[in-house]
Amino acid sequence: EPEVTQTPSHQVTQMGQEVILRCVPISNHLYFYWYRQILGQKVEFLVSFYNNEISEKSEIFDDQFSVERPDGSNFTLKIRSTKLEDSAMYFCASRRMTDTQYFGPGTRLTVL
Amino acid sequence: GNSVTQMEGPVTLSEEAFLTINCTYTATGYPSLFWYVQYPGEGLQLLLKATKADDKGSNKGFEATYRKETTSFHLEKGSVQVSDSAVYFCALSDPPGTYKYIFGTGTRLKVLA
Repeated sequence: EPEVTQTPSHQVTQMGQEVILRCVPISNHLYFYWYRQILGQKVEFLVSFYNNEISEKSEIFDDQFSVERPDGSNFTLKIRSTKLEDSAMYFCASRRMTDTQYFGPGTRLTVL
Repeated sequence: GNSVTQMEGPVTLSEEAFLTINCTYTATGYPSLFWYVQYPGEGLQLLLKATKADDKGSNKGFEATYRKETTSFHLEKGSVQVSDSAVYFCALSDPPGTYKYIFGTGTRLKVLA
């Protein structure tokens, strides 16, 4: 069964550094999402992406964040200058036409 | 705005006990409702869904009914197993437009043998 994959599974970085989190959505899906979950808190929506552009973003998704679909398979989330409060689990999700999203296993980002 | 409220955990049960995890929502329009499960060290897996009022979603012995009159989508299972130990998330899709998800806080379930 096709699944969403994410790399790396764990990323440790220093405050102020740039990180890129990578996702490979299910191949025939059209809509892509990033969510994050700070430890012990709820899963929060960051951004949705369709037809090579952002379709919606939350207040969390400020100028430090960007997303890209550089080729036909990858979907990336970049954080330009990480802060301590960016430490969280980041989930990628995708869907085709129905509203059911399929999630990847997540990338745990630790900012020191 | 739309929101999901989920009962606080952790919930600790003995094997074969009955499980209920409460979930209520606030929404304009007609969202779909979902339960996702997160096993230790893994991502979010779809457990079940319901797309309209009075729909019942079911999977692996779990059930939830979309109740518009009480704005609820409680998760139930008649007899839990140790392997059901996980974190359970209630979510709604947020139409129209991007159908982003709004999640509840998650409820950790621990089942003891």
